[in-house]
Amino acid sequence: GENVEQHPSTLSVQEGDSAVIKCTYSDSASNYFPWYKQELGKRPQLIIDIRSNVGEKKDQRIAVTLNKTAKHFSLHITETQPEDSAVYFCAAGSFGGFKTIFGAGTRLFVKA
Amino acid sequence: GAGVSQSPRYKVAKRGQDVALRCDPISGHVSLFWYQQALGQGPEFLTYFQNEAQLDKSGLPSDRFFAERPEGSVSTLKIQRTQQEDSAVYLCASSPGDSSYEQYFGPGTRLTVT
Repeated sequence: GENVEQHPSTLSVQEGDSAVIKCTYSDSASNYFPWYKQELGKRPQLIIDIRSNVGEKKDQRIAVTLNKTAKHFSLHITETQPEDSAVYFCAAGSFGGFKTIFGAGTRLFVKA
Repeated sequence: GAGVSQSPRYKVAKRGQDVALRCDPISGHVSLFWYQQALGQGPEFLTYFQNEAQLDKSGLPSDRFFAERPEGSVSTLKIQRTQQEDSAVYLCASSPGDSSYEQYFGPGTRLTVT
């Protein structure tokens, strides 16, 4: 069945450093790849997304890259800040099917 | 405007009891999703509605799980004869259903089965 693998499961960085989280997906029909941030006890919130017709997208300190051939996509956070500490989930879905498969999450710690 | 709301926020049920979890999506949102999130895991897809039609229920773990959205707005997820493995946070999300794929999540209902 469809599967999204995410790694690392835990990532600890120093404030100001960059953080990279990687995901791979199995369903070739996937064409939408969102990233969600979830703080402890809170709801997941979309931070950035990318569609399959685009290879890269950037929003301030956050960027995502997509390699459809290899079926992998990555989240890059630059100049990390303590408030970036949270669990980050990647996901893969397809318009028309609407089923969205989430990765297991990456717990990011940014040390001040 | 108001976001997605869910009730109750917390539910404790004895094994074997039936529970009903409610989701109020953002007004006008066509798409509605239910997810199950176990501790330390990502949300797992349960089911999807487009208006009142349940178009995908492939993620429902057993026939004890049932979801409905009779008027295309509020949705209810019902779990019959709850088991301990049903303990999780149940998340609801809604989406406009047009070219915007973004899903807006509710705060979740934390279900504990004792």
